[in-house]
Amino acid sequence: AQSVTQLDSHVSVSEGTPVLLRCNYSSSYSPSLFWYVQHPNKGLQLLLKYTSAATLVKGINGFEAEFKKSETSFHLTKPSAHMSDAAEYFCVVSDQNFGNEKLTFGTGTRLTIIP
Amino acid sequence: EPEVTQTPSHQVTQMGQEVILRCVPISNHLYFYWYRQILGQKVEFLVSFYNNEISEKSEIFDDQFSVERPDGSNFTLKIRSTKLEDSAMYFCASSSGQGVHSNQPQHFGDGTRLSIL
Repeated sequence: AQSVTQLDSHVSVSEGTPVLLRCNYSSSYSPSLFWYVQHPNKGLQLLLKYTSAATLVKGINGFEAEFKKSETSFHLTKPSAHMSDAAEYFCVVSDQNFGNEKLTFGTGTRLTIIP
Repeated sequence: EPEVTQTPSHQVTQMGQEVILRCVPISNHLYFYWYRQILGQKVEFLVSFYNNEISEKSEIFDDQFSVERPDGSNFTLKIRSTKLEDSAMYFCASSSGQGVHSNQPQHFGDGTRLSIL
């Protein structure tokens, strides 16, 4: 069984400072890992995905994540936070190979940006 | 960019009544999913659907739930006799999933908020 643990339920950073959202995963196989973002009253938007290619994955809006197998981590980072980054972020692992997999979500991290 | 659309955005239903949540997946996608998120809890997988049949379902997806693709565009989730604990945000997702190594992620709709009174 796959699982993810998001270590912080709430993160606050000042605008223009770096963002770090932490995620650790557990997997019996080579996992596929994702970060999704949810803005208020909106759906889940894919930020980036890891698919066993490059370990450093670049996503939309300046976000990136690094897959570290030795640490079973997939932390999300951004060099400089913007007010529009305020949202809920979910680390997600897929249970099977692509094509028909069930996604397992973390509990989410609410990111607040301080002006 | 094509997107998954869900209707209605908010559904209020009396306990014991049937409810149908509707989704229009992205047109060339072949795999369809329903997830739900109870307020304050994590997003949970309900069911996956491919080639007109259920591929996998969670323990949440009991006999009160059913899914259907009645035509070439819609994908529906029906709850036959709603309970208070069915109140949640329900998300539909789709992916093209062209094979085991297709590398295609799931795209989500904006969700339907279901409130059971």
